[in-house]
Amino acid sequence: QKEVEQNSGPLSVPEGAIASLNCTYSDRGSQSFFWYRQYSGKSPELIMSIYSNGDKEDGRFTAQLNKASQYVSLLIRDSQPSDSATYLCAVSVIQGAQKLVFGQGTRLTINP
Amino acid sequence: KAGVTQTPRYLIKTRGQQVTLSCSPISGHRSVSWYQQTPGQGLQFLFEYFSETQRNKGNFPGRFSGRQFSNSRSEMNVSTLELGDSALYLCASSFEGSDEQYFGPGTRLTVT
Repeated sequence: QKEVEQNSGPLSVPEGAIASLNCTYSDRGSQSFFWYRQYSGKSPELIMSIYSNGDKEDGRFTAQLNKASQYVSLLIRDSQPSDSATYLCAVSVIQGAQKLVFGQGTRLTINP
Repeated sequence: KAGVTQTPRYLIKTRGQQVTLSCSPISGHRSVSWYQQTPGQGLQFLFEYFSETQRNKGNFPGRFSGRQFSNSRSEMNVSTLELGDSALYLCASSFEGSDEQYFGPGTRLTVT
């Protein structure tokens, strides 16, 4: 079983709709959770971090964490074509260890 | 504040050669991590340096090595290159005690 799993997609969402991206992780002791956005040919860009159960909102983005279910999600409201990218879920098992384990990424396409 | 910089951006090498990649972290960041990204394996952790010491290491052969200088700049070296080493090599820096990592633009290495 992979340590961090994501649906590879592609996930296609109409412009203006909510895009929902999901991630599960295997290590119950994981401490920190991140979402990165990666445009084709570019490097990953940190867009959200979450450390405790519940929701964390930043603009159009909401990260949700459920440690009991070992599940992290990212919601993108009012999706724009510029949101089309690969979204990577990353988990840090040991806080401060600076070692992130990444999922394979979900390719998201927003259709105008 | 300037971001993470990596040089060179592109490299073409032949099998058996060695290569050195360089990374300058964000000012004030003392932790530098290296990752390899390939279409098949995704993003995989190579190693992490803090205060000139390697603190964590991923599951890569000894041909992959690194070091960090007193100004926090880091280099990674790959010796006896193999075709499978063709990848995007990403460097990420973080502030001490934080798991949030910020990536540089990457070095695209092609081994022929």
